[in-house]
Amino acid sequence: DTGVSQDPRHKITKRGQNVTFRCDPISEHNRLYWYRQTLGQGPEFLTYFQNEAQLEKSRLLSDRFSAERPKGSFSTLEIQRTEQGDSAMYLCASSPSAGASGELFFGEGSRLTVL
Amino acid sequence: AQKVTQAQTEISVVEKEDVTLDCVYETRDTTYYLFWYKQPPSGELVFLIRRNSFDEQNEISGRYSWNFQKSTSSFNFTITASQVVDSAVYFCALSEAKGGFKTIFGAGTRLFVKA
Repeated sequence: DTGVSQDPRHKITKRGQNVTFRCDPISEHNRLYWYRQTLGQGPEFLTYFQNEAQLEKSRLLSDRFSAERPKGSFSTLEIQRTEQGDSAMYLCASSPSAGASGELFFGEGSRLTVL
Repeated sequence: AQKVTQAQTEISVVEKEDVTLDCVYETRDTTYYLFWYKQPPSGELVFLIRRNSFDEQNEISGRYSWNFQKSTSSFNFTITASQVVDSAVYFCALSEAKGGFKTIFGAGTRLFVKA
C-alpha cells in the first residue's frame, strides 16, 4: 500500500487557464476528501465522496470548481478559468470508514500557483 | 455548525519542556469525534490521536496526552519532554454525525522546539 498519491505535485499556470488535479486514495478506502490550504491556515474543507457519491460541497467551491470520483476509486479536482486567489495547496485525503469517523490519510498535496 | 478554534498561533519552547496546545470546538451534535494532526515542515498531515464524544477519559500515549472536557468544549493536547522533531504545525479537527462526519480543521498552532 503506497498511501494517498496526488498528481501533479506542483502546477504553475496563467490566470484563466484550466487545471486538473488527480488523487489516488488508499485502495478500498470509502471516503475521499479534498481540502485547500493556504499559507498559515488550516485545511479548508472543499468536498468529499463516499465511494462515487459526492456527499457535500463547501460554499467555498465556486462553479469553477468541480470534482469527480468515477467508479469510487481515484478522484479529480478541476478548476476552470483559474484566478490568482486559487493559488494554494490542494490536499486529498482518504479514510477507511464509511459513516463512522476514522482518521484521514493525507497525500502530499498539489501546489497550485496562478500567475 | 461545526467550528474549531485554536487560539495559540505560535508556541516556542526549549527542548524537554512540556507544552500544551489548546483547542476549543463548537458543535450542536451529541455524536462527534475530535482529532489532532501534525504537519511537519515536509508538509504531509499525519494523524496523531482521536477521541469520540462519549469517552471523556483522558489518556497518555507515549509523550502525548490529551484532556477532553465536554463541559468546556475543549480538547487540549500535551507533549511531554518536547523534542526538536516535534517542531511542526498541529491541527485540531472535528467531525460530527449531523455533518455527515466530514472533518473540519482549526487554523493550527505552530510549535517551535529549540535545542
